[in-house]
Amino acid sequence: GEDVEQSLFLSVREGDSSVINCTYTDSSSTYLYWYKQEPGAGLQLLTYIFSNMDMKQDQRLTVLLNKKDKHLSLRIADTQTGDSAIYFCAELLTDSWGKLQFGAGTQVVVTP
Amino acid sequence: EAGVAQSPRYKIIEKRQSVAFWCNPISGHATLYWYQQILGQGPKLLIQFQNNGVVDDSQLPKDRFSAERLKGVDSTLKIQPAKLEDSAVYLCASSPRRGQGAGYTFGSGTRLTVV
Repeated sequence: GEDVEQSLFLSVREGDSSVINCTYTDSSSTYLYWYKQEPGAGLQLLTYIFSNMDMKQDQRLTVLLNKKDKHLSLRIADTQTGDSAIYFCAELLTDSWGKLQFGAGTQVVVTP
Repeated sequence: EAGVAQSPRYKIIEKRQSVAFWCNPISGHATLYWYQQILGQGPKLLIQFQNNGVVDDSQLPKDRFSAERLKGVDSTLKIQPAKLEDSAVYLCASSPRRGQGAGYTFGSGTRLTVV
């Protein structure tokens, strides 16, 4: 398909791990991103991964990339209430001048 | 460094009126983007500038939307006349080059409501 796909909703208990999944479209994409959006705010870059990597870890965040299946995931360890937000997966399209193609976002709700 | 600045934060207009949004990118960033984010969707690229030239406006509804980037710095996005379906958040972003790595920074956006 032509759309970046994400599940729409995830509920997680405080202290547990969250895993957000994404399927992207451009097999030649060099950069894949995870953005966080809190209510009324812009997009905050959380992390990104270059296509020659399978995994990237940054404090509580772990990104896994499966290029064969065009699958990207974001794991948040020890999820906190401040992690409640919408998370967007985005791919940098190779036949563009830097255009990002976004998924529809996954709303993560962290319950105490 | 200062982030991407946008104004106004909110705007409510009636359909068929005109509206303009302003963006000041991060100093030195050559590439500037305008994205439209409709409620419940991910952002979609409207137009992209490299310095003061347009490199991609394929998704811009040119019958009503226009944008310019004067002197390769600030940019304005205009809608005239507005339609109800233009209600969205308009996000400006900038990067030092073609969006690679960590240099792609978004502003807080302008929330437009057309009534």
